[in-house]
Amino acid sequence: AQTVTQSQPEMSVQEAETVTLSCTYDTSESDYYLFWYKQPPSRQMILVIRQEAYKQQNATENRFSVNFQKAAKSFSLKISDSQLGDAAMYFCAFPFGNEKLTFGTGTRLTIIP
Amino acid sequence: NAGVTQTPKFQVLKTGQSMTLQCAQDMNHEYMSWYRQDPGMGLRLIHYSVGAGITDQGEVPNGYNVSRSTTEDFPLRLLSAAPSQTSVYFCASSSHSSTGGETQYFGPGTRLLVL
Repeated sequence: AQTVTQSQPEMSVQEAETVTLSCTYDTSESDYYLFWYKQPPSRQMILVIRQEAYKQQNATENRFSVNFQKAAKSFSLKISDSQLGDAAMYFCAFPFGNEKLTFGTGTRLTIIP
Repeated sequence: NAGVTQTPKFQVLKTGQSMTLQCAQDMNHEYMSWYRQDPGMGLRLIHYSVGAGITDQGEVPNGYNVSRSTTEDFPLRLLSAAPSQTSVYFCASSSHSSTGGETQYFGPGTRLLVL
């Protein structure tokens, strides 16, 4: 089965601290992309970061980075120096087959001032 | 540059009514998709299109129809609304395939309540 699993429905972190959101997936493909999308209270979905599977180096976008472990099929998102504006739902996504982008169930991140 | 627009923002329907959710993009994207978002279930793909005149089913297509007569527009039709279709609907577009790493751009969503 082609699945994307986010096992943490909710997470919280103190402002300025670091938090890691987990995501695992199941695929038999060898080259693919993985995505993290953010959905703030405004409901607007925004791409946070993407990772190409064949690249050894973990992707980084400012305070956001991933820990990609291909053999373990794990794709975690690390947010450093958490800010109040990071409060949102975060979704991991994997494009199974032709255009069928599959999302995990999401992790709600709360930032504690 | 408006990006992806959706209308209406909110709609209440009675069971059995039909309606069309509108989606338009001004980025000349070939790929467009419709998702529904329900609590605890993430986003699920309803239908998608890889270009004008070409559509295909996603994970949860039953009860929904789509067509793609132009590159810009991708309307979603509810044929006979049911309470199970109460959800938030998102339209998305991208210039190329997500399998190739392309970013999907999402509309602001339409909240639909079926009584």
